Amino acid sequence: DVKVTQSSRYLVKRTGEKVFLECVQDMDHENMFWYRQDPGLGLRLIYFSYDVKMKEKGDIPEGYSVSREKKERFSLILESASTNQTSMYLCASSLWGPLYFGEGSWLTVV
Amino acid sequence: AQTVTQSQPEMSVQEAETVTLSCTYDTSESDYYLFWYKQPPSRQMILVIRQEAYKQQNATENRFSVNFQKAAKSFSLKISDSQLGDAAMYFCAYRAGGTASKLTFGTGTRLQVTL
Repeated sequence: DVKVTQSSRYLVKRTGEKVFLECVQDMDHENMFWYRQDPGLGLRLIYFSYDVKMKEKGDIPEGYSVSREKKERFSLILESASTNQTSMYLCASSLWGPLYFGEGSWLTVV
Repeated sequence: AQTVTQSQPEMSVQEAETVTLSCTYDTSESDYYLFWYKQPPSRQMILVIRQEAYKQQNATENRFSVNFQKAAKSFSLKISDSQLGDAAMYFCAYRAGGTASKLTFGTGTRLQVTL
C-alpha cells in the first residue's frame, strides 16, 4: 500500500510566523501535490511537483512556496502565516492515474 | 481550464437503499481519468472508483458503480445497498492523461445514511 505521511496533524501558529508542512511518500512516485481544503470550496491545488527540484504553481499559490530536494519529500512553506491560511492541508503523491493522500494537516493561524 | 461540478451539496439515503451522486466536468482533452473519492470524518481521502475515458464500460467496485456518459461529460456514482459506513463527503475528480498532470476536484457532496 502507498503510504503518504504528513508530519503534523494539528498546528497552531501565530500571524507572521514561518510555517513548514512536511510530506513524505514511500512509493517512489514522481508527482507530489499540496492541496488546501475549505468548506464549500472543495480541494484547491496550491503547488505540485513532477520531479525533484521541479515545481508548478497550482490554482492558489499566493502566500505559499514549496521545496522538493528529495524525491520522497515535498514541503509546503508559509513564509508569513496569515489568518486566511487557516485551513486543512492535504498532501498527495502519484505516478499516473489516482492520487494517494496523507491524513491531512489542520493549521490554525491566530 | 478543466472544471468539475457537483450540483448536490447534500444527499440523504436510507440504509440498504440506492443513491446516485451527480458529477459533470468540462474538458477539451480526449485522454483523461475520472475518480470518485470518499472523505469520512477522519478526513482521510479514500479512492472509491476510477474510470479511464477511453473505456466504454462503466467501472464497478463492489457496491459502487459509475454511469460514465462521455458525450454528455457526466460521471455519476451509484451506491447500492447503502451502509452507515458510507456516510461521508464524496468528491468527483478529473485528471488529464499524462504523468505530470494535476487532479481537479468538485466541491463535494455530503452523503447522510439514515436508519
